[in-house]
Amino acid sequence: QSVLTQPPSASGTPGQRVTISCSGNSSNIEGNYVSWYQQVPGTAPKLLIHRNNQRPSGVPDRFSGSKSGTSASLAISGLRSEDEADYYCEAWDNSVSGPVFGGGTKLTVL
Amino acid sequence: EVQLVQSGGGLVQPGGSLRLSCAASGFTFNNYWMHWVRQSPGKGLVWVSRINYDGSITKYADYVKGRFTISRDNAKNTLYLKLNSLIAEDTGVYYCARVEVGALDHWGQGTLVTVSS
Repeated sequence: QSVLTQPPSASGTPGQRVTISCSGNSSNIEGNYVSWYQQVPGTAPKLLIHRNNQRPSGVPDRFSGSKSGTSASLAISGLRSEDEADYYCEAWDNSVSGPVFGGGTKLTVL
Repeated sequence: EVQLVQSGGGLVQPGGSLRLSCAASGFTFNNYWMHWVRQSPGKGLVWVSRINYDGSITKYADYVKGRFTISRDNAKNTLYLKLNSLIAEDTGVYYCARVEVGALDHWGQGTLVTVSS
């Protein structure tokens, strides 16, 4: 059971906008930054969003992040087939003294 | 180019030991905290351990405390994870990752550890 809660699946058609939610508590999301990672099965995770809404260089601006209180979300606009992957949220947890992850959301592009 | 190249995984019997390595290049290794993250088959990501710049501060997830040891050799630009007293539940792909901007910004390719008799 993951510390952060994500929906197990999400889907959309090419060009659509989809959002993935991530729920935590006062020990993790509320007081700390949230990051998002993309993982294509069989490969290592890739950082998509850091500090709630910042994109590393090279990440398209179709990806955006937001945070409010104990929840965060990842939005993907202009959905493309290559966006099909697993997405994980992550935040520092003060009680664990380490990062905690969501269970992952499998995004399917129909 | 930042690279983290992992080695050392494999098949080990319950109760056995293994050492994972993560060789860093393309950046000043001793300027960064490093982490290990595990992914069990078909499951999500779970944090395992972290270490500071010079190895003087280490921290472990409760489920590996006392069994796993993280360390680093800054002269060799290499991160390690020693796994002892392995159990079946330790099976999975282990990733090393660098910390930057408060996130895990670069990851190794992963190394598979299988605990089975």
